[in-house]
Amino acid sequence: GAVVSQHPSWVICKSGTSVKIECRSLDFQATTMFWYRQFPKQSLMLMATSNEGSKATYEQGVEKDKFLINHASLTLSTLTVTSAHPEDSSFYICSARYGSASGADNEQFFGPGTRLTVL
Amino acid sequence: AQSVTQLGSHVSVSEGALVLLRCNYSSSVPPYLFWYVQYPNQGLQLLLKYTSAATLVKGINGFEAEFKKSETSFHLTKPSAHMSDAAEYFCAVSGRFQKLVFGTGTRLLVSP
Repeated sequence: GAVVSQHPSWVICKSGTSVKIECRSLDFQATTMFWYRQFPKQSLMLMATSNEGSKATYEQGVEKDKFLINHASLTLSTLTVTSAHPEDSSFYICSARYGSASGADNEQFFGPGTRLTVL
Repeated sequence: AQSVTQLGSHVSVSEGALVLLRCNYSSSVPPYLFWYVQYPNQGLQLLLKYTSAATLVKGINGFEAEFKKSETSFHLTKPSAHMSDAAEYFCAVSGRFQKLVFGTGTRLLVSP
């Protein structure tokens, strides 16, 4: 099956620093990748949708200058949390979807998540 | 717009008992429905999905779900719970623009 990896699996950083999280599709080319955020004991909230070679589409309320997304290739998307603060601490999960056309049954394959803790 | 309501933030069953996790959806277009499972500190794993084919969908690990349009429901069931089924379960709906909208999740607790 399709495998998505994330790196790092967890990271602790100081307030004010930037953190980069990588999302890779290991055995397929992902035309679209998604970034989610999950607070403890809560559901996943979509942050942005990223298509290879184009700018990410951010959900309402998500600061695009704070959460920089780059989808440079069909197998790699990165999320950079800039000037991180304690309220950015969360579990970040990416997913990847392959397939060309429309059709909502194109399955999303999820990465294992990255736990970010900002001190 | 799409939305999902999962009834019950926690469901407790005994090992060997029937598992029933409820999901109701709202969608202005024909929905695509999914059930995912999440173990602690892990990503999501797809259990099953409904994509307008058979209304009774069989998934992995013995789970199945039935799409009932008249009731706008997509409840997840398993005849006999195992200890390893203890996890968080999310129902999700996808519409025209293919973004997944997740429910709030249901934690399944399985006691010996």
